[in-house]
Amino acid sequence: QKEVEQDPGPLSVPEGAIVSLNCTYSNSAFQYFMWYRQYSRKGPELLMYTYSSGNKEDGRFTAQVDKSSKYISLFIRDSQPSDSATYLCAMSGALGNAGNMLTFGGGTRLMVKP
Amino acid sequence: DVKVTQSSRYLVKRTGEKVFLECVQDMDHENMFWYRQDPGLGLRLIYFSYDVKMKEKGDIPEGYSVSREKKERFSLILESASTNQTSMYLCASSSQGLWTEAFFGQGTRLTVV
Repeated sequence: QKEVEQDPGPLSVPEGAIVSLNCTYSNSAFQYFMWYRQYSRKGPELLMYTYSSGNKEDGRFTAQVDKSSKYISLFIRDSQPSDSATYLCAMSGALGNAGNMLTFGGGTRLMVKP
Repeated sequence: DVKVTQSSRYLVKRTGEKVFLECVQDMDHENMFWYRQDPGLGLRLIYFSYDVKMKEKGDIPEGYSVSREKKERFSLILESASTNQTSMYLCASSSQGLWTEAFFGQGTRLTVV
């Protein structure tokens, strides 16, 4: 069983829809939770990060972490065709010098149709 | 503007060849990473380095080695390329701390024939 599970999709939605992307994980040591966005033929870029449980909002994006359920979510409001990309969740724990070694989910491919 | 640069976007190599993938960062970061990315498997860590000449194995180090002679440069070496090493390879760097953002290069798509 993978440490971080993510539905690969593809997820196809119409423009303007609310998108929900999710990951589950098994390692309770994870403290930092991230969402990376990867456009085709590009490297991943950090979209949002959250420490421990709770919500964080940035414009149309909201990240939620529920450590008790080992479940994280990314919500995209008013989705745009430019949001079409692969979304990767990533997690890390406090490990000293290698503290930000990341464990990634498999990624969900999102397509937003005009 | 922060930058992680990988030497090649696309490479085609023959089985058994020794392959070098180069990565350079200009952010004075202590940590550097090599991942491979395969459909449905996400990013898997091959090796990372938290200082010059220091290296640690990641989740899938078999068939790979690394070199970090200078702080800004981290090389991935495939000692004898095999077809199952056909993949997208991503380099990343980050500064030290409990958590800091990892910056990725654009990736190298390696095909071993």
